Amino acid sequence: DGGITQSPKYLFRKEGQNVTLSCEQNLNHDAMYWYRQDPGQGLRLIYYSQIVNDFQKGDIAEGYSVSREKKESFPLTVTSAQKNPTAFYLCASSTYLGGGSEQFFGPGTRLTVL
Amino acid sequence: AQRVTQPEKLLSVFKGAPVELKCNYSYSGSPELFWYVQYSRQRLQLLLRHISRESIKGFTADLNKGETSFHLKKPFAQEEDSAMYYCALSGSGAGNMLTFGGGTRLMVKP
Repeated sequence: DGGITQSPKYLFRKEGQNVTLSCEQNLNHDAMYWYRQDPGQGLRLIYYSQIVNDFQKGDIAEGYSVSREKKESFPLTVTSAQKNPTAFYLCASSTYLGGGSEQFFGPGTRLTVL
Repeated sequence: AQRVTQPEKLLSVFKGAPVELKCNYSYSGSPELFWYVQYSRQRLQLLLRHISRESIKGFTADLNKGETSFHLKKPFAQEEDSAMYYCALSGSGAGNMLTFGGGTRLMVKP
């Protein structure tokens, strides 16, 4: 089954804890993205990566970190520095970096801070 | 800076009625515009893009550079069209990121 997988589907975190959200794709896409989705605000870009071992900050990168050690994987860590981490997180990938290349989305992870 | 505005958070129409989801943008260069859709319990997916000039599931969207708009239209709404719709913009060419609007929830009533 091809596509993008995200795990877990639901994640609960205590304040002060770091958590890592998984994103894997088997589409052989070079570019990968992390978005945060909040009601009424659409999707906001957290980080993106064009190739392995390279990634760039998006519009709301503060309090987040990523790695891209393998082409297929782009995990997102939500650190304790993120002031309002409760949100729905979406991972996406595309053939190449940029809006002109159709982005394919994962099912999302809902993070709740207790 | 690029910005996308979808003025309606919720749009409710009856089955068979025409529907228009509004999208306005601001961008200084040559934009590429897209509509993404998220049906209930499904993933966000591309519906259409302005450069392809296609009609997908009966939906069309025309880029109006003079009014900086990219409204999504369908002459006869169906119940299965009920979903969350996002307008998105990027600059032309590789390396330009997508900017999404806040989204419009379309509800088609029987």
